[in-house]
Order: sequence, then C-alpha cells, then structure tokens
Amino acid sequence: DIQMTQSPSTLSASVGDRVSITCRASQSISSWLAWYQQKPGKAPNLLIYKASTLESGVPSRFSGSGSGTEFTLTISGLQPDDFATYYCQQYSSYSRTFGQGTKVEIK
Amino acid sequence: EVQLVESGGGLVQPGGSLRLSCAASGFTFSTYPMSWLRQAPGKGLEWVAAITGNGALTNHADSVKGRFTISRDNSKNTLYLQMYSLRAEDTALYYCAKPYEDSGAYIPFDIWGQGTLVTVSS
Repeated sequence: DIQMTQSPSTLSASVGDRVSITCRASQSISSWLAWYQQKPGKAPNLLIYKASTLESGVPSRFSGSGSGTEFTLTISGLQPDDFATYYCQQYSSYSRTFGQGTKVEIK
Repeated sequence: EVQLVESGGGLVQPGGSLRLSCAASGFTFSTYPMSWLRQAPGKGLEWVAAITGNGALTNHADSVKGRFTISRDNSKNTLYLQMYSLRAEDTALYYCAKPYEDSGAYIPFDIWGQGTLVTVSS
C-alpha cells in the first residue's frame, strides 16, 4: 500500500496568514493527489484534485502544488471559515489512502 | 440536487452483521462507480470498498476483505455494504461517496453522504 504522511499534524495560525501543509507519498503517485477539508460533524469537502486543479466553487486562496512524492496545500490569507482539518488522498492505486490529517487551529 | 443518504447503522455485538444502504438522487447513478469510506471516532479517513457503475467489478480494502461486500441496485439508485464478522475496530462513521466524474479509475469524491454510525461493542 502507498503510505501518505502529512505535516504538521496541527498548525496554529491567525486570520490573514499564509499557511502550507505538506503531504508525502511513500512512492511516486504522479499528480494523482487530492485535498479535502473537513469540519467537525461534517463530511469531507473536495478542494483540489490532480494535485493542483481547484474544484468548482472552491475559493482561489486555496492552491495545490507538487508531483511525484511531495505535495503542498497552501491557503493564502486564512479566513475564519478555513479553520478545519485537511486531508490529502492519493488515487494512484486502488487503496486510495489518506494522510492522517492536519488540523488548522486559531492562534 | 445531488444527494446521498446513508442508513442502516447501529449497535452490533462483535461477530455480528449489518447491512448499510445509501440512497442516491440528483445524478445518473448507474454511470458512476461508488465507494464506501469510514472514519473511526476522532480518527482519519479510510477507503473501504468500491464498485463499478454496472456492478460488475468490486474491490475492498485489505482490512475488510472477506468480511464486507459492496453491491448496488441501479434500479433503486441504491448502494449497499454488507458487513459480517464485525470487530471493535470496525466502529466508525460510514460514508458513501460519489466521484467527481464517471470515467477513470479511483477518481476523488465530490459528493459524500452525512454518514451512518456503526458501533461494534458487547
């Protein structure tokens, strides 16, 4: 199975900050990577797929980059609605594994 | 409106069985592969099983292989997950999910249900 490792596990930031979350794959997954946002008590929400393609309706302050084994989700200008947990997911193999999540907290 | 509504969760003893259902609406259900995923309390996301649009092909995570079976009834726009030999570690919120497009393998999920809670405990 392809293992996905996110860092950091928790990130404390303020409104307006630029924040980045890293996701590393245990082997190359090309650009087959998605990012999700999840708020407490809610289902995940797809933000980005193919490493850098923004899902329709997602604000442009979210961006994704990377390929191969290292990927980054960046939020430029953190908004109050962005405090949540973020997951990466590889879809290069049938196991579709997720990272362990990064919780973005208010500083 | 595209919608997925899960049902069938509950409290079950270790070794017991349960069948989850997911009613789909607002899209052409039969053309989309569908998946079940789960999230243990306070934990991350785990893909559980997937099935092609016509139901001919399925695959299951190693953690549930041989115990869980995914199926679908396209005449009823409904997805199922039959779970046998349940263990404490299967306790989770179970989601059904639709990929953002109906072609290609392993496409990420743009629509999720609200989830149904399965608790395995004596």
